[in-house]
Amino acid sequence: TQLLEQSPQFLSIQEGENLTVYCNSSSVFSSLQWYRQEPGEGPVLLVTVVTGGEVKKLKRLTFQFGDARKDSSLHITAAQPGDTGLYLCAGARSKSNYQLIWGAGTKLIIKP
Amino acid sequence: DADVTQTPRNRITKTGKRIMLECSQTKGHDRMYWYRQDPGLGLRLIYYSFDVKDINKGEISDGYSVSRQAQAKFSLSLESAIPNQTALYFCATRGSGANTGELFFGEGSRLTVL
Repeated sequence: TQLLEQSPQFLSIQEGENLTVYCNSSSVFSSLQWYRQEPGEGPVLLVTVVTGGEVKKLKRLTFQFGDARKDSSLHITAAQPGDTGLYLCAGARSKSNYQLIWGAGTKLIIKP
Repeated sequence: DADVTQTPRNRITKTGKRIMLECSQTKGHDRMYWYRQDPGLGLRLIYYSFDVKDINKGEISDGYSVSRQAQAKFSLSLESAIPNQTALYFCATRGSGANTGELFFGEGSRLTVL
């Protein structure tokens, strides 16, 4: 059973378009992280959201944590080929035990 | 040089062979983890260690064992490899004082069991 559902699983769009990736669960998380993984490398942390309703921006990337802390979204504005990669969300059940629950990932391809 | 180094990066072996994947880190973190990644399944935790004397099973520990030889070294062993252990394996570290819980990953070890 996948406790964190990511959608879409795969997305291929043209440079300059906008996109949103979703991470949904029926469970409540104390925090949620987004990582990006490029081919041949390990995942790298992009952001951690902690408070329900929190919005964080990282240049053209906007991350939102749901009010109930059960879901999150990643919105990319004017996507660029450098955004290509596998985007993974991971939720922590408690602040003291950082055992992460991982989504399966969204594979994003931005075509020039 | 990478802060978290995994060796080997690629390995092809046969069913029944013993395999060891090694991980070393220069971040000074006390917490180390082994994950496997399979397409469509995301990352699954195999084992984790909070210090040299503390080893814990993750969600998929069967068929695997680990050794924490020092704070900086954490190795994963497959005593008798089988084809469904073909996967990409990642070592990761985290500092105990990090309130963001960020994981730092190695570059991965791709294992193929024939």
